Amino acid sequence: TQLLEQSPQFLSIQEGENLTVYCNSSSVFSSLQWYRQEPGEGPVLLVTVVTGGEVKKLKRLTFQFGDARKDSSLHITAAQPGDTGLYLCAGPKAAGNKLTFGGGTRVLVKP
Amino acid sequence: EPEVTQTPSHQVTQMGQEVILRCVPISNHLYFYWYRQILGQKVEFLVSFYNNEISEKSEIFDDQFSVERPDGSNFTLKIRSTKLEDSAMYFCASSNRMTVLLGYTFGSGTRLTVV
Repeated sequence: TQLLEQSPQFLSIQEGENLTVYCNSSSVFSSLQWYRQEPGEGPVLLVTVVTGGEVKKLKRLTFQFGDARKDSSLHITAAQPGDTGLYLCAGPKAAGNKLTFGGGTRVLVKP
Repeated sequence: EPEVTQTPSHQVTQMGQEVILRCVPISNHLYFYWYRQILGQKVEFLVSFYNNEISEKSEIFDDQFSVERPDGSNFTLKIRSTKLEDSAMYFCASSNRMTVLLGYTFGSGTRLTVV
């Protein structure tokens, strides 16, 4: 079974601070996706990382895929209250394209 | 930007009743999915659908569940006899490629409450 574990589960920081969210697995994933979910809404895709060691930047968000493709991180620089939300990592299972989701990290950025 | 539309946004039903959750995927997408999220738990895969048939389903997707694409635009999830534990957010998603490299587009979800 391919599981994705996210840490921390909850993060509360002040506006302007940096934060890092982690997504780890004991299994290799062909790719990993990061989503953000607002309360009462569906997950919204932020980025997909495919190559081991890959780094992708989306404004103040930096996504990294581990060399062994078993882990990923999301780093937010100078967080803003608009970054508040539930951040989910997800990856396709070994067979087929259905996604396995991590449990999420709830981020609260206080003004 | 194209959206996946789900209706209703909230459905309350009595245990044992049938419910149909509706989704309109993005028009040029060919692969359709249902996921659910029980309050406080992970998002879980239910079923994938391609070329008018189920391509994959999870152990959650038992005989009480069915999916259908009744016309060229709608994609529905039916639960025949709802149980209390079916209470969850149900998300429809679509993609235009079999691979997940481009990621899915999820709808806003239907909150199903079984009482």
